[in-house]
Parts: sequence; structure tokens; C-alpha cells
Amino acid sequence: SQTIHQWPATLVQPVGSPLSLECTVEGTSNPNLYWYRQAAGRGLQLLFYSVGIGQISSEVPQNLSASRPQDRQFILSSKKLLLSDSGFYLCAWTARIQGQSPLHFGNGTRLTVT
Amino acid sequence: QKEVEQNSGPLSVPEGAIASLNCTYSDRVSQSFFWYRQYSGKSPELIMSIYSNGDKEDGRFTAQLNKASQYVSLLIRDSQPSDSATYLCAVNVAGGYNKLIFGAGTRLAVHP
Repeated sequence: SQTIHQWPATLVQPVGSPLSLECTVEGTSNPNLYWYRQAAGRGLQLLFYSVGIGQISSEVPQNLSASRPQDRQFILSSKKLLLSDSGFYLCAWTARIQGQSPLHFGNGTRLTVT
Repeated sequence: QKEVEQNSGPLSVPEGAIASLNCTYSDRVSQSFFWYRQYSGKSPELIMSIYSNGDKEDGRFTAQLNKASQYVSLLIRDSQPSDSATYLCAVNVAGGYNKLIFGAGTRLAVHP
């Protein structure tokens, strides 16, 4: 069966510090990968998605970047964190089948920028 | 701008009652619809998917889809306190690599 691992679970970082969140998927090949963010009391906002190694699409302009160095590895980064980057970051995957394929989420990383 | 709208709630129902959660979406060509449950502090978990007009039942859950009205709903029968959570409606972006747009969620509270 497929599993998705995301770490760390919680993170407290000062403003201006760098960020690196990692996500890996097991049990499937060629997944689509996604990073979502959920601000406190808000819905999920899609940040980035990737359909293959090195292929990254950004949904919103922001202080973050994403990379996919391996088929089942997805990394979210920032060079300098802002207070507004605080939130619950969720990595997710779907199968490549277009359409009828739900998202499966990792356990998330709760980031607090102080 | 594609949107998914849900009432934020809280929707409060007594134990054993039917909870009815509603969602509307703006993209007429969307073909896939999902309901996720999210407990406080946890990640969303998939509870239902629906792709065709009509009803789809899975245990105590029934999803209903009306593409003409751009409306999808979730019914929870025999509600239990453990059903208390935020329910997120998600709609795929047509032609968009399985991207999902989420509503802000409806908070459900089931009281004994």
C-alpha cells in the first residue's frame, strides 16, 4: 500500500531564517505531488504541484519554492521566512490517472514563524 | 477564479440525527468531487468521492451530486460524537493535473 511521509511534524523558526520541509511517498511510482498550506481557521491553499522530476508549477506568488529531485520526493523551501509563512503545510499525492484520483495527505508540518 | 463554497458552521446536531453538509462550486466542467474530514490539528482524510450525478452511499455516509446545479452534499446518518470535525469539500480543476480546489470547510459538532 502507498504511504506518504512528511517531516518535521512541528517547527518553530525565527523570521528571516531558511526553511526546508520534506515529503516522500512509498508504494507508488510517478505520482503527482502537491504542497498545500492551511492558515489558522482557513481552507487549503494549493502552493505547488509537480507531475515529474524537476517539473514544478507554482500556483501563487510567494516567498516559497519547491523542488522534486527524485520521483517520490518533494521539498518545500524558503530562503527567508516571513511571519505570514506560518501555517499548516500539507504534502499530498495522487496517481497519474487524470480525473478520478483523490489526494492523499501526509500528516502535515505545523510551522510557526516568530 | 474557480471557487468552492461551504457554510463555515458550526453545524450542531444531536447524536443519532442526520447531519447535512452542503457545497457549491463555480467550475461547470469539474468532474470529480470529494469530501474530506479533518479533525482539529490533523491532516484531512478522504471519506467520500463522487463522479456522477445522483447519490453514492458508503456506510453512514451518502454523497449527493447535482452537476446542473453545481451542488454536492454529504449526509451523515446516525451522527456520532466522533463525527465532530471539519468537513472539507474538494473539486477537481478540469484539465489541471488532478489539482483540487477546497472549500473552507464546515465545522460539525455532534452533541450527546
